[in-house]
Amino acid sequence: AQSVTQLDSQVPVFEEAPVELRCNYSSSVSVYLFWYVQYPNQGLQLLLKYLSGSTLVKGINGFEAEFNKSQTSFHLRKPSVHISDTAEYFCAVSDNSNYQLIWGAGTKLIIKP
Amino acid sequence: GAGVSQSPSNKVTEKGKDVELRCDPISGHTALYWYRQSLGQGLEFLIYFQGNSAPDKSGLPSDRFSAERTGGSVSTLTIQRTQQEDSAVYLCASSFSGQPNEKLFFGSGTQLSVL
Repeated sequence: AQSVTQLDSQVPVFEEAPVELRCNYSSSVSVYLFWYVQYPNQGLQLLLKYLSGSTLVKGINGFEAEFNKSQTSFHLRKPSVHISDTAEYFCAVSDNSNYQLIWGAGTKLIIKP
Repeated sequence: GAGVSQSPSNKVTEKGKDVELRCDPISGHTALYWYRQSLGQGLEFLIYFQGNSAPDKSGLPSDRFSAERTGGSVSTLTIQRTQQEDSAVYLCASSFSGQPNEKLFFGSGTQLSVL
């Protein structure tokens, strides 16, 4: 069975500093990987996704993620965060035959001024 | 419509009462999902509708939960005889065709509180 682990429930970081939000998954089949973001009082929206091809995926708002098959990871990174990046970030996985996404518990990104 | 619309945004109810939550997906999207988000946990799949096919109800936690989708558009999630453990945010999402590689469009959710 698939599962997703987001190791950090909260990540505090100073404004303009780099950040990495970690996501590990377990699956016995090929997967699709997603990062969604939930800004305060807003619905979840897609940040980026990995389907196939290049393992480095670029998304909106300067975020990128790297798919590492050997480590079963899909960590999210941004070189310099802004106060507007304050949000909760969710990692999710599906296999290529199942519409059901399996979700991590989320990581709250807290930007310190 | 501009996006996925859910109503009400907040619902407070007493234990044992029935509640109905509504979702209006993006026009033209054939796939519709309901998820439940409990505090500190990831999203939990509840039910999936795709066009005129029979829905996938495999995620519904008990027979107190039911959902329907009328005319391939608006969906209603009904919880009968609510319990305190039903308190959560209920999220609706839609996508163009329900393929596993597709982007989901989410509503803002309904915060359900059962007293």
